[in-house]
Amino acid sequence: GQQVMQIPQYQHVQEGEDFTTYCNSSTTLSNIQWYKQRPGGHPVFLIQLVKSGEVKKQKRLTFQFGEAKKNSSLHITATQTTDVGTYFCAGRGSTLGRLYFGRGTQLTVWP
Amino acid sequence: GAGVSQSPSNKVTEKGKDVELRCDPISGHTALYWYRQSLGQGLEFLIYFQGNSAPDKSGLPSDRFSAERTGGSVSTLTIQRTQQEDSAVYLCASSPPSAINADTQYFGPGTRLTVL
Repeated sequence: GQQVMQIPQYQHVQEGEDFTTYCNSSTTLSNIQWYKQRPGGHPVFLIQLVKSGEVKKQKRLTFQFGEAKKNSSLHITATQTTDVGTYFCAGRGSTLGRLYFGRGTQLTVWP
Repeated sequence: GAGVSQSPSNKVTEKGKDVELRCDPISGHTALYWYRQSLGQGLEFLIYFQGNSAPDKSGLPSDRFSAERTGGSVSTLTIQRTQQEDSAVYLCASSPPSAINADTQYFGPGTRLTVL
């Protein structure tokens, strides 16, 4: 069955360092989304990527969708303490059906 | 506008009791998901409703779990004969019908279930 793998599971960085989380799917995805969940909160939608090779930026966050539409990454430049939380990717396969979430990467930022 | 709401926000129950968790999606959203999240863990898919189609129940962990969605809007997740391992936060999410944003999930605040 379809799976979305996400690594690393945990990442601890010093404030100002960069951070990257990666998602890989066993099958081609029609789109991929990224969500952020702050400690004690619920997941909040960040962005959706649809096109092969697509790159989108939101301030210090850069999102990429692979050429084969099987992998994606989220990169944060110069992390801040406000970036703390768990980042999830979620992808949909080529057929109608549900989204598949990765396990998430829990980011800790030391001041 | 109003977001996804869930009730109750917290539920403490005794092992063996039945519980009902409610989700009110955003008005007009056609898709509705239930997830379970244990402390510090990822999102465990439970069930997915899309319009009038038969729900995808493939994530329900046992026959003690069931869910329904009445009138294409409000959904209720029922757990019968609760066990301690059912303790978790139960999250509901809904998605709009538009072709562009149909996958964007809007999450509710969750119901924290504690089974003693």
